[in-house]
Amino acid sequence: EAQVTQNPRYLITVTGKKLTVTCSQNMNHEYMSWYRQDPGLGLRQIYYSMNVEATDKGDVPEGYKVSRKEKRNFPLILESPSPNQTSLYFCASSFTRASYNEQFFGPGTRLTVL
Amino acid sequence: KQEVTQIPAALSVPEGENLVLNCSFTDSAIYNLQWFRQDPGKGLTSLLLIQSSQREQTSGRLNASLDKSSGRSTLYIAASQPGDSATYLCAVTSGTASKLTFGTGTRLQVTL
Repeated sequence: EAQVTQNPRYLITVTGKKLTVTCSQNMNHEYMSWYRQDPGLGLRQIYYSMNVEATDKGDVPEGYKVSRKEKRNFPLILESPSPNQTSLYFCASSFTRASYNEQFFGPGTRLTVL
Repeated sequence: KQEVTQIPAALSVPEGENLVLNCSFTDSAIYNLQWFRQDPGKGLTSLLLIQSSQREQTSGRLNASLDKSSGRSTLYIAASQPGDSATYLCAVTSGTASKLTFGTGTRLQVTL
């Protein structure tokens, strides 16, 4: 089954404790991205990657890092989480050709930073 | 900078009604427009994708239209059912980075 998976689905952590949220897709998509969703603000892009070893900042990259060493995986790293990073996070993937891309989303990761 | 607006923010209708959700965007230079459904606490499910060269797409009881020049799209839901209750999100792909810009959604409730 074609899908985007994220782990963990739920995470409660404390300020400053480094964490990684994994994202994996099995559709051979070149393009992957991370979004956060906050009430009243909608979904905002954090980082995106056009292909392996090609990442770039989205609208709200502060406090986050990403890497793309393999085509299927795109982990989101919070080196020193803070309470304002409490949010619902989504990973998405698609083919790179923008004219035709339909973006597929993972199930989301609900993160709480105390 | 692309901005996407959805009206209304919330909508409650009785079962069986036909309804229209609206989406507008500020920059007409888009590649495509996508409508998503999101259930509470869940991920996003893609409903319809309209390419910039298309005027509409249909899937079952759903019909989405696109007027790129005026920066508008509508999602028409026919014969609404309680199972249609969810938040509906509109998003446009634009820019060199294939970026999706989302609206804040319309929360739909279909009552018995």
